[in-house]
Amino acid sequence: GAVVSQHPSWVICKSGTSVKIECRSLDFQATTMFWYRQFPKQSLMLMATSNEGSKATYEQGVEKDKFLINHASLTLSTLTVTSAHPEDSSFYICSARDGLETYNSPLHFGNGTRLTVT
Amino acid sequence: ILNVEQSPQSLHVQEGDSTNFTCSFPSSNFYALHWYRWETAKSPEALFVMTLNGDEKKKGRISATLNTKEGYSYLYIKGSQPEDSATYLCASTSGTYKYIFGTGTRLKVLA
Repeated sequence: GAVVSQHPSWVICKSGTSVKIECRSLDFQATTMFWYRQFPKQSLMLMATSNEGSKATYEQGVEKDKFLINHASLTLSTLTVTSAHPEDSSFYICSARDGLETYNSPLHFGNGTRLTVT
Repeated sequence: ILNVEQSPQSLHVQEGDSTNFTCSFPSSNFYALHWYRWETAKSPEALFVMTLNGDEKKKGRISATLNTKEGYSYLYIKGSQPEDSATYLCASTSGTYKYIFGTGTRLKVLA
């Protein structure tokens, strides 16, 4: 159980275009989803916390107008990278926590998305 | 310590060897320490969630200990096998209510 599906696994786009990444919880309701970004040889950096039905909470230094997060249902959160530029090329991964769980509970991760902006 | 730190960054061990690595985390406002295993081309998989000082958890050949007063946790693998090759991540949840990850330890078990 507790499967998170993330699509696409990889995407190549041209500079100036937008890319949408989907994160779905398949067998549980995810009240809270977390979006992370990872640069080579660095840790998973939290970008934002996505709560169903409300606005996402962004970490300091993350542009909310560039990284649009929508959590419209208990099973789906999307991250849209708007007007992507080469410096946005990175590995993005989502994770979710069951609606009944607390911060002492493990996260369930998607497989991640490798974004390359040319 | 303001960040979660893991050491070593990577290591190679021979099949059958036992190994261990360290996660250091902020000890103030501690909630929980999480360990994950992340195999290539897969999603990170939760191994342990530890909350109590002195806690010790075990899953097969893998075990972990926790010291919340000094802010560290050890992960042990006994009799390493090639299938144990992965990146092992730890994450701390504390008063910030966020899951803060370390950079991970990349383990390669040589057959």
